[in-house]
Amino acid sequence: EVQLVESGGGLVQPGGSLRLSCAASGFTFSSYEMNWVRQAPGKGLEWVSYISSSGSTIYYADSVKGRFTISRDNAKNSLYLQMNSLRAEDTAVYYCARGWSAGTTPFDYWGQGTLVTVSS
Amino acid sequence: DIQMTQSPSSLSASVGDRVTITCQASQDISNYLNWYQQKPGKAPKLLIYDASNLETGVPSRFSGSGSGTDFTFTISSLQPEDIATYYCQQYDNLPITFGQGTKLEIK
Repeated sequence: EVQLVESGGGLVQPGGSLRLSCAASGFTFSSYEMNWVRQAPGKGLEWVSYISSSGSTIYYADSVKGRFTISRDNAKNSLYLQMNSLRAEDTAVYYCARGWSAGTTPFDYWGQGTLVTVSS
Repeated sequence: DIQMTQSPSSLSASVGDRVTITCQASQDISNYLNWYQQKPGKAPKLLIYDASNLETGVPSRFSGSGSGTDFTFTISSLQPEDIATYYCQQYDNLPITFGQGTKLEIK
């Protein structure tokens, strides 16, 4: 069974940092691209970042470019999002979502989400 | 960036009704479109992929159609458990973009 479990969310002051993790199981993690998607309270879905299966190709939304860093450890079946210089508008539930692999459709599995609250 | 214009933003319908939601892309995305259902406090659930393919385990009352820039999502006979917010998403190009969502309520 495919599982994605996020952790690391919490309350942080503006300008602070937080590192989110996503533990993957039930599939060959190293074969899949991965993404982070967020959802502000009461709002819609916003894609945040993408990483290729090897980690060699990375993309960010303009809203987080230069502040967030996506990474992965295929040996540990884990995805990460380092968030620096956090702002109030970064307050959201953060989801990791499985991306492409050969013969599959992207965004077919999502974690349960972890809440990040940026407030003083 | 590809803009996804989803309508309506909210919809009230009766059990048994046929419900239709539309999504328009600002440029040709072929069939690289997903539809999701999201219930409060839960992660989005994939219902339709590649514009018209039903995800495994999803009831057949859900369907999708379209290609290029115009897409339609349909529930053939609304059930009480279908109350949720529905989103379209394009994955033709990065950045991945979503429609604004359609909140579906029972009349």
